[in-house]
Amino acid sequence: AQSVTQLDSQVPVFEEAPVELRCNYSSSVSVYLFWYVQYPNQGLQLLLKYLSGSTLVKGINGFEAEFNKSQTSFHLRKPSVHISDTAEYFCAVIPTNFGNEKLTFGTGTRLTIIP
Amino acid sequence: NAGVMQNPRHLVRRRGQEARLRCSPMKGHSHVYWYRQLPEEGLKFMVYLQKENIIDESGMPKERFSAEFPKEGPSILRIQQVVRGDSAAYFCASGYGNTEAFFGQGTRLTVV
Repeated sequence: AQSVTQLDSQVPVFEEAPVELRCNYSSSVSVYLFWYVQYPNQGLQLLLKYLSGSTLVKGINGFEAEFNKSQTSFHLRKPSVHISDTAEYFCAVIPTNFGNEKLTFGTGTRLTIIP
Repeated sequence: NAGVMQNPRHLVRRRGQEARLRCSPMKGHSHVYWYRQLPEEGLKFMVYLQKENIIDESGMPKERFSAEFPKEGPSILRIQQVVRGDSAAYFCASGYGNTEAFFGQGTRLTVV
């Protein structure tokens, strides 16, 4: 079984400041890793994903994440946030050998941008 | 290419009624997943279906909940005799087994 931990339930950040949202996972098998964003009353939109290759992954809206296998982490970062980044962010994993897209999610981090 | 379509977007039901949630996957997608998001919580997997088959229903409550994905038409998540605790956002996602799932906008169920 897999589990995903997002330790920070809420993160307030001033506009134009950098941000890091933390994600750690636990799994007995190799996993693919994902970050999704959910704007208020909306569905989930994929920000970025790690399948293989370079451990630094770049996504949409200026976000990036780094896969660290030894620390089982996949932290999300942005060097300068905007008001429009206010949303809930979810980290998720899928086992690599399952052949489907069943995701295990973390509990989410609510990012609030302070003007 | 239309995305994953869920309807209705909002659904209000009185306790004891039935709720029926529909999901049309993206064109070409044969895998459908249902998730539930309770207030202030993350998304919890409920069920994974392929055409006419339930592949994994490990996240489905044992009673009152059922899901189907018929050969023709949308996938349906059915909740019988709804209770207040069923109030949540229900999300559908679809894919074809290549590791990226696409999500619909969700159905927000309110039980009064």
